[in-house]
Amino acid sequence: GAVVSQHPSWVICKSGTSVKIECRSLDFQATTMFWYRQFPKQSLMLMATSNEGSKATYEQGVEKDKFLINHASLTLSTLTVTSAHPEDSSFYICSARLAGGVETQYFGPGTRLLVL
Amino acid sequence: GQNIDQPTEMTATEGAIVQINCTYQTSGFNGLFWYQQHAGEAPTFLSYNVLDGLEEKGRFSSFLSRSKGYSYLLLKELQMKDSASYLCAPMDSNYQLIWGAGTKLIIKP
Repeated sequence: GAVVSQHPSWVICKSGTSVKIECRSLDFQATTMFWYRQFPKQSLMLMATSNEGSKATYEQGVEKDKFLINHASLTLSTLTVTSAHPEDSSFYICSARLAGGVETQYFGPGTRLLVL
Repeated sequence: GQNIDQPTEMTATEGAIVQINCTYQTSGFNGLFWYQQHAGEAPTFLSYNVLDGLEEKGRFSSFLSRSKGYSYLLLKELQMKDSASYLCAPMDSNYQLIWGAGTKLIIKP
């Protein structure tokens, strides 16, 4: 149980385009989902916390107009990187937290974004 | 501030036992998680401790001392596939996980 999927797993795009990443909790409902970014050999960096039906809470330094987050249902959250640039190239990982009980975050497999 | 201290890298031999220590300081505390992250992959959940003591789960055990701000992950009967980074992540009063860089564990035959 507690499986989280992410799509796509790999994206290569040109500078200036927008990229949408989907995060789904497959076998449980997630009232809260998290979006992280991780650069090589660095720690996970929380970008934003997404609650179903409400606006995402962004961490300091993360541009909300550049990284659009939508949490439309209890099983789906999307992250759109708008007007992507090479410096946005990174490993983007979502996690979902089970509604109620222990506050365990279950991670999706991640999305590698390469902006040329 | 909030911070986590773990060794950057450890090396151990296949079949042996290794203990990865973690000390932390957080604003409030709602438990501590251990995650495993293989190179190029997302973290996977290993354990959660909220009360003092040892939690055993197969070859992996995790210990917590809240008064000391200390936890460890114990891995027994090491296998080559255990080569990975191990992330100690305490949860603060806002239920946010605090992430460090983790400990890279190298298993040698």
